[in-house]
Amino acid sequence: DVKVTQSSRYLVKRTGEKVFLECVQDMDHENMFWYRQDPGLGLRLIYFSYDVKMKEKGDIPEGYSVSREKKERFSLILESASTNQTSMYLCASSLPGENYGYTFGSGTRLTVV
Amino acid sequence: QKEVEQDPGPLSVPEGAIVSLNCTYSNSAFQYFMWYRQYSRKGPELLMYTYSSGNKEDGRFTAQVDKSSKYISLFIRDSQPSDSATYLCAMRIQGAQKLVFGQGTRLTINP
Repeated sequence: DVKVTQSSRYLVKRTGEKVFLECVQDMDHENMFWYRQDPGLGLRLIYFSYDVKMKEKGDIPEGYSVSREKKERFSLILESASTNQTSMYLCASSLPGENYGYTFGSGTRLTVV
Repeated sequence: QKEVEQDPGPLSVPEGAIVSLNCTYSNSAFQYFMWYRQYSRKGPELLMYTYSSGNKEDGRFTAQVDKSSKYISLFIRDSQPSDSATYLCAMRIQGAQKLVFGQGTRLTINP
């Protein structure tokens, strides 16, 4: 069964900490995405990547960075966590082209205290 | 104005009812339309995919796209408690890799 795996289901971090969220896919997909999901705001795209070492800003990149050193792994980094980054973070991957949907991971619920 | 509008609900219906979920959009360039289902504490999963206008049926689910009205719908027939979830519409323009999502509608089917 194909999978997108996010390393943590629940995470609690302190304000100011550097936080790493890891995502691994086993489908050899070129595209990978990071979203955050908040009540009333839906899914908002943070960053995405079309290929190894490539990244593009999404709609809300401020306060985040990403790393894609290998095709199967896409990391989201919160440089200095803040309470307004408390959210559900979803990673997704897809094949290139318009005919393909995303495969999502189960999400990481991050709480910043 | 958001590119994709979706009523967040919540929507509560009795088991066996026909459910209609809808999204409107403003960008006439959208060509590819999808519906995702998200169970509580899980990631969304692709449910239906439609290209351009028309209908697509898969079991109890029917997806409809009306590009002239910029309106898409998902119908669920003979709804079951297991259909209780949040349903998100998503769409993309020709040549784009990223999807634009609606806010999601939370649906509960009552036994």
